[in-house]
Amino acid sequence: LAKTTQPISMDSYEGQEVNITCSHNNIATNDYITWYQQFPSQGPRFIIQGYKTKVTNEVASLFIPADRKSSTLSLPRVSLSDTAVYYCLVGSANGGSQGNLIFGKGTKLSVKP
Amino acid sequence: DAMVIQNPRYQVTQFGKPVTLSCSQTLNHNVMYWYQQKSSQAPKLLFHYYDKDFNNEADTPDNFQSRRPNTSFCFLDIRSPGLGDAAMYLCATSRGGTGTPYEQYFGPGTRLTVT
Repeated sequence: LAKTTQPISMDSYEGQEVNITCSHNNIATNDYITWYQQFPSQGPRFIIQGYKTKVTNEVASLFIPADRKSSTLSLPRVSLSDTAVYYCLVGSANGGSQGNLIFGKGTKLSVKP
Repeated sequence: DAMVIQNPRYQVTQFGKPVTLSCSQTLNHNVMYWYQQKSSQAPKLLFHYYDKDFNNEADTPDNFQSRRPNTSFCFLDIRSPGLGDAAMYLCATSRGGTGTPYEQYFGPGTRLTVT
């Protein structure tokens, strides 16, 4: 399983763009990169997923370089409500083996006014 | 709204007294997962069901068991809870398949306290 490494914590201010980078040096050919957000006392929530290049949705963008050994989650113009833990996961689905998406330690983002 | 429901939200049990946590879903997803999350740690996958097929993680203690009587319900049984089993237990669901991992939908969790 591909291991992921993220910064333990990051601080930002309201209105700024935040970029959280995840390293996954041994990512496999079939692996996808998925990011989840978790608020205190809630279950994680899916943010975005990608395989290569760039993916954008209404919440975030995900940048993946050609070698796929890292990825960057970009949150545009953060607000106080974006304060949460962000997890980077790397893996693929394989029929009956759906459990190979392992949560790493996560990045605790604190947004200040 | 389709969702993942966990009951109860808070559960207190005594050391060594069996406890069951429940999860139900209205999403009709093939896969149901159970995670354990201790304070300030990442969720740790205990096991999952793909339809009726049970998949146990290698390091999940035998003290933890699961049942899935039908598509909608899944239970987590802790046969003899220890103090170290106090945690938030998260249930999640997803569609199943091969290739692109499907989005997991998480319930609100059950916080278990062991006295």
